[in-house]
Amino acid sequence: SYVVTQPPSVSVAPGQTATISCAGDRIGSKTVQWYRQRPGQAPVVVLYDDFDRPSGTPERITGSNSGDTATLIITRVEAADEADYFCQVSDYTYLVVFGGGTKLTVL
Amino acid sequence: QVQLRESGPRLVSPSETLSVTCSVSGDSITTADRFWSWIRQPPGKGLEWIGFVSHSGNSHFNAALQGRVIISTDASRNEISLTLRSVTAADTAVYYCARVSDVCKNGVCWFDPWGQGSLVTVSS
Repeated sequence: SYVVTQPPSVSVAPGQTATISCAGDRIGSKTVQWYRQRPGQAPVVVLYDDFDRPSGTPERITGSNSGDTATLIITRVEAADEADYFCQVSDYTYLVVFGGGTKLTVL
Repeated sequence: QVQLRESGPRLVSPSETLSVTCSVSGDSITTADRFWSWIRQPPGKGLEWIGFVSHSGNSHFNAALQGRVIISTDASRNEISLTLRSVTAADTAVYYCARVSDVCKNGVCWFDPWGQGSLVTVSS
């Protein structure tokens, strides 16, 4: 089965840049989505198809996907960005796999 | 605005069957080629995709759960239902329903929106 690995936690000071990785075998050949989940709430998609933003996602949230690693980048981090972030992989075979999640702490 | 709302028993005994229903408003579950999904999250843990179905009968499931899972649709009620047989404590989780992106058939599958989730505890 396909395995996707995220770091358990990332910490960043306000105004700095947060980078969250999502690693998987040849993940660059698949598509990656990112979700934000605040405590007690359902996940919300913040990026799809590697780097596309749904309406409501600010431009300071970007993504990339190449080789064995996909990356979520949040610039000018704010307190409101503190949450759990999950990557989710899919491909044309209807593969759907979530990463274990990364807790983003804003110091 | 599309909204999903899960409902069902909060407590299920081990070895019994878990059932959760998702009511959809603002969209029709019979829309051609549209998939509807179930995803679960054990308390304090990550997300696990269970599977998704279309009203026309196309379905795809997580291989780890296939064999115990049934996902069905009810067009008259605009609802999607999840049935999970032979449950154990490991099936304790918040169960979410979600709409699947229309481009999933092209390999780009994402989930939006999600319901608020329904916590189901498996315990005697």
